Amino acid sequence: AQSVAQPEDQVNVAEGNPLTVKCTYSVSGNPYLFWYVQYPNRGLQFLLKYITGDNLVKGSYGFEAEFNKSQTSFHLKKPSALVSDSALYFCAVRDMAGYSTLTFGKGTMLLVSP
Amino acid sequence: DAGVTQSPTHLIKTRGQQVTLRCSPKSGHDTVSWYQQALGQGPQFIFQYYEEEERQRGNFPDRFSGHQFPNYSSELNVNALLLGDSALYLCASSPEGNTKTGELFFGEGSRLTVL
Repeated sequence: AQSVAQPEDQVNVAEGNPLTVKCTYSVSGNPYLFWYVQYPNRGLQFLLKYITGDNLVKGSYGFEAEFNKSQTSFHLKKPSALVSDSALYFCAVRDMAGYSTLTFGKGTMLLVSP
Repeated sequence: DAGVTQSPTHLIKTRGQQVTLRCSPKSGHDTVSWYQQALGQGPQFIFQYYEEEERQRGNFPDRFSGHQFPNYSSELNVNALLLGDSALYLCASSPEGNTKTGELFFGEGSRLTVL
């Protein structure tokens, strides 16, 4: 079975500084990987995905993620954080044996201070 | 173009009661999935509906059941509610032709509190 680990419950960063939110995965076969963001009392919004190709994936709101097959990681990054980026971030992996179901990590709270 | 819509947004029930949550998928989407997000946790897959049939199910008891209608909208039913069923219930839709590589589109959820 596939799984995702987000080792940090919370990441704190100052506005303007680069940010990284970590994610590692475990799947059999090639992974389909996703990042979603959740604002308070809201549903999940899609940020970006890795299916195949370039290991650096660019997504919404200036976010990008780096796929590293040897380290089984898919870290989310942004060169310059904004206070408005403060939210809960989820990494997810697609179930290759089934249909479009996603397995999510437990989430990482990103807090960007002014 | 309306996204995924869910109702109700909030509801309170007591133990043993039954609840029905509703979801309308994004226009053009025919596959609907339901997820449960407990406080402080990531969403967990409950089941997925396509062509009015449940075609995949997560590790949830039979108290959780669902339905999909010809217009692709869906309902989630939970019987004999337990305190542990308190959570945010998320509906997600996708087009069948994009099930493997495409992203899911989520509604804002229904917050269920069981007292």
